[in-house]
Amino acid sequence: QQPVQSPQAVILREGEDAVINCSSSKALYSVHWYRQKHGEAPVFLMILLKGGEQKGHDKISASFNEKKQQSSLYLTASQLSYSGTYFCGTAITGANNLFFGTGTRLTVIP
Amino acid sequence: KAGVTQTPRYLIKTRGQQVTLSCSPISGHRSVSWYQQTPGQGLQFLFEYFSETQRNKGNFPGRFSGRQFSNSRSEMNVSTLELGDSALYLCASSLGLGSYNEQFFGPGTRLTVL
Repeated sequence: QQPVQSPQAVILREGEDAVINCSSSKALYSVHWYRQKHGEAPVFLMILLKGGEQKGHDKISASFNEKKQQSSLYLTASQLSYSGTYFCGTAITGANNLFFGTGTRLTVIP
Repeated sequence: KAGVTQTPRYLIKTRGQQVTLSCSPISGHRSVSWYQQTPGQGLQFLFEYFSETQRNKGNFPGRFSGRQFSNSRSEMNVSTLELGDSALYLCASSLGLGSYNEQFFGPGTRLTVL
């Protein structure tokens, strides 16, 4: 039930783009994306509901392919502040209990 | 609007003891979920409370329990602590039940069991 995230780690230079993928073997009701910096709590980025919608704010956006049970997080023109570990949390029922992937460690260097 | 608060932030206990952690959700949020985060297992769902009732439970032993009060504040209790219970315990609040609700995490309580 735990989703699979890829890649496990990525290093970017400022201004480069990245894509983080989240795949589930179960049908999904929703996908939640978070960023966690070392020693801090996960910070909510966005939620995608089944229906294949795409969301975004600033230079971070995400898509949800309901047929493939996959979601992708797109980071464009990365900034140093984007560094952290990104988690997707998936809901396979209508309930609030999320199953989290193992995370993608993103490092942005000058 | 104040965020989710958790107390205490750090705890050190010894095996066999019990511990109680507290979580105050964002004002107006009625659902509180608890998660355990460890380097090995990642983020794992413990349970969810809404209107003072446990609505969902993860795959954890009965030593882990919780409750919610009428003001939506929640506590979780771990009895007979084991070394493996050392973890960051996070609570997340959301407006209501349903996975279409955004969940916002508190800063967590870091529990160390010696």
